[in-house]
Amino acid sequence: DVKVTQSSRYLVKRTGEKVFLECVQDMDHENMFWYRQDPGLGLRLIYFSYDVKMKEKGDIPEGYSVSREKKERFSLILESASTNQTSMYLCASSNLRDRGGGYTFGSGTRLTVV
Amino acid sequence: AQKITQTQPGMFVQEKEAVTLDCTYDTSDPSYGLFWYKQPSSGEMIFLIYQGSYDQQNATEGRYSLNFQKARKSANLVISASQLGDSAMYFCAMRGYGQNFVFGPGTRLSVLP
Repeated sequence: DVKVTQSSRYLVKRTGEKVFLECVQDMDHENMFWYRQDPGLGLRLIYFSYDVKMKEKGDIPEGYSVSREKKERFSLILESASTNQTSMYLCASSNLRDRGGGYTFGSGTRLTVV
Repeated sequence: AQKITQTQPGMFVQEKEAVTLDCTYDTSDPSYGLFWYKQPSSGEMIFLIYQGSYDQQNATEGRYSLNFQKARKSANLVISASQLGDSAMYFCAMRGYGQNFVFGPGTRLSVLP
């Protein structure tokens, strides 16, 4: 019954590596989001997308990019990973017609950059 | 600008008792939605309950109810008959005209046996 799938639960990468975090949803939602969650800082929006090939910057886009080539898939890219990008990354999708537009989250990816 | 305030960083409740988690919000949008999410230690964010700003009745979902007081801009979550599995972080969130959410800082609930 998994509806939003994040490709990795735990990930360890080296500084300078290019990192891809994948998110797939099977609910035909238009909207998809990437957040990072850090202790004391809560959830912060990195990027979001309201449609295929469309992307918008959130509150903290620096050091990240995204790709949405298909409706069901929204990828977060760390162009050159740095230690300050060590965090929990949460993907979410939503549809205004579904539960008032409430997010459905993936299980999260804990990324460690060493 | 939209803002969510959760003034209780941590709460304790005895098993089988009810608990209220506070949430106040600020928005200038005439229409908005209010949400509560639960995040257990595993990290997954679980949708609990939704309240639309024009809904006349308070939302309920099983043991969860949302005490919505529009004039006070509050949307408190009430959990009845607490269970040990309710121990988690709880986030209040709001969606205005856009699709993006604003999240509160969260309240950590601990249920004591």
